[in-house]
Amino acid sequence: GAGVSQSPSNKVTEKGKDVELRCDPISGHTALYWYRQSLGQGLEFLIYFQGNSAPDKSGLPSDRFSAERTGGSVSTLTIQRTQQEDSAVYLCASSFPWGGLTGELFFGEGSRLTVL
Amino acid sequence: AQSVTQLGSHVSVSEGALVLLRCNYSSSVPPYLFWYVQYPNQGLQLLLKYTTGATLVKGINGFEAEFKKSETSFHLTKPSAHMSDAAEYFCAVSDSSRGSQGNLIFGKGTKLSVKP
Repeated sequence: GAGVSQSPSNKVTEKGKDVELRCDPISGHTALYWYRQSLGQGLEFLIYFQGNSAPDKSGLPSDRFSAERTGGSVSTLTIQRTQQEDSAVYLCASSFPWGGLTGELFFGEGSRLTVL
Repeated sequence: AQSVTQLGSHVSVSEGALVLLRCNYSSSVPPYLFWYVQYPNQGLQLLLKYTTGATLVKGINGFEAEFKKSETSFHLTKPSAHMSDAAEYFCAVSDSSRGSQGNLIFGKGTKLSVKP
């Protein structure tokens, strides 16, 4: 498709389970970003990829969170042993290099995670 | 380090009235500033941006913002609100502390309601 695609759009899981969230960026975009959007908290940066490498992982909140990107395209955000505080909308964005300078980040519609 | 403060988590205006959404930033380097809009159940999309040059920038849907260095502000305005403007608006600054790799730091958002 033409836009950033995220799946699943909605995920309900039980506390302690692992979840995987997928992001398919716009073709040709080398940069990929994960953000977490919690009610009243705005967007919290999680991790940034340039190609397959992650120069900035500083936003990952704990070692339960990890992300990878393969083939310079699809990225997966994995949350292990989910906790209720992980409930949020996880947004993925992609851009050409230097997207953060031009502001030309293209966002997906997000994956809403609910941990019971 | 950069930061963004949006005054007012919720703003309500009447249709046809002026829209003013406030954003103040903190940056130790010349900032690149952005406004994004998020309609219900959608991803964020870029509304307008300031990088260099003219301090009054125009965006989509009749919105504009003015960069005021002396006030460290980048307020978003629209002369006449329309019902379709109801959405959440996020101010963002480019995070140059990460070596200009392209991350954005977002404010917590302002939800705009438009009354008929």
